[in-house]
Order: sequence, then structure tokens, then C-alpha cells
Amino acid sequence: KQEVTQIPAALSVPEGENLVLNCSFTDSAIYNLQWFRQDPGKGLTSLLLIQSSQREQTSGRLNASLDKSSGRSTLYIAASQPGDSATYLCAPQTGANNLFFGTGTRLTVIP
Amino acid sequence: DAGVTQSPTHLIKTRGQQVTLRCSPISGHKSVSWYQQVLGQGPQFIFQYYEKEERGRGNFPDRFSARQFPNYSSELNVNALLLGDSALYLCASSLTSTWGEKLFFGSGTQLSVL
Repeated sequence: KQEVTQIPAALSVPEGENLVLNCSFTDSAIYNLQWFRQDPGKGLTSLLLIQSSQREQTSGRLNASLDKSSGRSTLYIAASQPGDSATYLCAPQTGANNLFFGTGTRLTVIP
Repeated sequence: DAGVTQSPTHLIKTRGQQVTLRCSPISGHKSVSWYQQVLGQGPQFIFQYYEKEERGRGNFPDRFSARQFPNYSSELNVNALLLGDSALYLCASSLTSTWGEKLFFGSGTQLSVL
């Protein structure tokens, strides 16, 4: 069974800092990996999807990398803003519509 | 275009009762998946339906059941509710059941069991 670990569990940074969120997974036989953002009590907003054949994806201030063979992914957020405060979840996909989630990293950006 | 819509947004039930949650996928999407997210944890896969057929099931008891209708909307039913069923229930849709396809999530139904 796929196990997903996200480090750190919580992170607090001042506005403007660049930061890295880490995700590791045990089963490298994945089809893709998605990074999501979740605000308290809300649904999931997809940020980036990296196919298993890709190394990285970029969207605005966000960059996600994937090292499938070592079971690792990172999400890099540049020039953080208070509006980036949320929980970030990574989810590798190993079957049809079956995503495995970590417990997330709770990010607080201090103005 | 509307995204994935779920109803109701909040629900309070007592132990032993039954509950039905509803989901409408993005227009044109034929696959619906259900996830349970307990407070402080990541979502866990419950079911996937495609073209009205069950295509996947997570490690949940038989008290959990679901179905998909001809218009591709879906219902999740939970019988004999337990306190531990209190969670945010998320629905996700995708175009097909192709492995590796991107999922789009709704805002969820917050279920509280007292």
C-alpha cells in the first residue's frame, strides 16, 4: 500500500521568503503526482500535476519536481504571500482515480 | 462552467442514522470518486464510479455504498452512522477512468455525527 509522508508538518515564514515543501512516497509505480491546496474546512484546489515521465512543472510562483525512482517530490513556492497560507497536500496516483494523500504541510505566511 | 458541486454543505446526524450525500460532476465528466477526510488527516479513497459501474473501492466497511446515475451524478450512502464517520466527504470528477487522469474536487460535505 502506498504511504505518503510530508515534511514539515507545519511551517511559518515571513512574507517574501522562498520555501520548499517535501513529499515522499513508498511505491514508485505511479502514473502522476498532484499537489493540492486546501483552505480550512474547504475542498481541494489542484495546483500542479506532474506526469510520471516528467521531472518538473511550473505555474506562476510554484514549481514542483518529481524524482519517481527515489519516491520524492518537492513543491517550491517563490516570494511567499499571506494569501499562500493553507495546507498543501501531495498525492501520487497509482490507479484509476485513486490518489493517496499525505497529511499535508500547514503553511502560515506572516505579513 | 460549473465545477464539481456537492450537497448538502453541512449535515448533522446522530449515531445509528443513515445519510445520503450528493455530487454533480463537471459537465462532460463521466467518472466520480469519493474521498473521506477526517480532521487532521489527508483524504482517503472510498469509491470510484465510471459509466454507472463501480471501478474501485477503498478499505471501508459495507456500511458505505454509492451509485452513479445516467446523468453521471452520484450519491454516497452511509448506514448505521458511527461517531468515527464524522468527516469532510469530498467528491472528485474526471473525464474518463483513464489511469493518470487529473481529478477535480468539490468543496465537500461536512458530516458531524453526534
